[in-house]
Amino acid sequence: DTAVSQTPKYLVTQMGNDKSIKCEQNLGHDTMYWYKQDSKKFLKIMFSYNNKELIINETVPNRFSPKSPDKAHLNLHINSLELGDSAVYFCASSQGLAAPPNTGELFFGEGSRLTVL
Amino acid sequence: KQEVTQIPAALSVPEGENLVLNCSFTDSAIYNLQWFRQDPGKGLTSLLLIQSSQREQTSGRLNASLDKSSGRSTLYIAASQPGDSATYLCAVPGAYKYIFGTGTRLKVLA
Repeated sequence: DTAVSQTPKYLVTQMGNDKSIKCEQNLGHDTMYWYKQDSKKFLKIMFSYNNKELIINETVPNRFSPKSPDKAHLNLHINSLELGDSAVYFCASSQGLAAPPNTGELFFGEGSRLTVL
Repeated sequence: KQEVTQIPAALSVPEGENLVLNCSFTDSAIYNLQWFRQDPGKGLTSLLLIQSSQREQTSGRLNASLDKSSGRSTLYIAASQPGDSATYLCAVPGAYKYIFGTGTRLKVLA
């Protein structure tokens, strides 16, 4: 049973298109995240959600719109894709808000590789 | 603002060697520290989680230590194998997110 699952694993699309990535976790966690991993493999936080509520938007362009219908799901919709959006997007989850005293173990999905042509 | 760095950025060793990967963080007020492994084209797999009250944590051939006062953690890999080849990342929680180091790319040669 996959703990954190993302779909699709690969997306190839043209500039200007809109795309969505879905994420689900079956760990019962209350906090979910989107991270972006660039070509240099650096992992940068994009969004944190706790119990469906947005906690962090780390200066992400408003072309990126996350949505959490319930605490087990966090989806990412991207409008008007640009070349610079090409990256691997990782969903993750943890129990607790990554702030004392509730900082549990972080679990990752397999990633969604987005290529914008 | 918490910053996490890892040295070396890349490491190539012959099979069987014991090796140490380093992770440094600027703000010592951390609650825990987690080590991950990332294989090419894959997600991150959690290796070890060390709580701030612990000094070390072991899993098989892996041993991670934590020294909050000096802002350092080390991941010790005993008797390295080609299957250990991967990128190793450390992360600390803070301000409602996990902050990652830059990673160490390890290659173990057969």
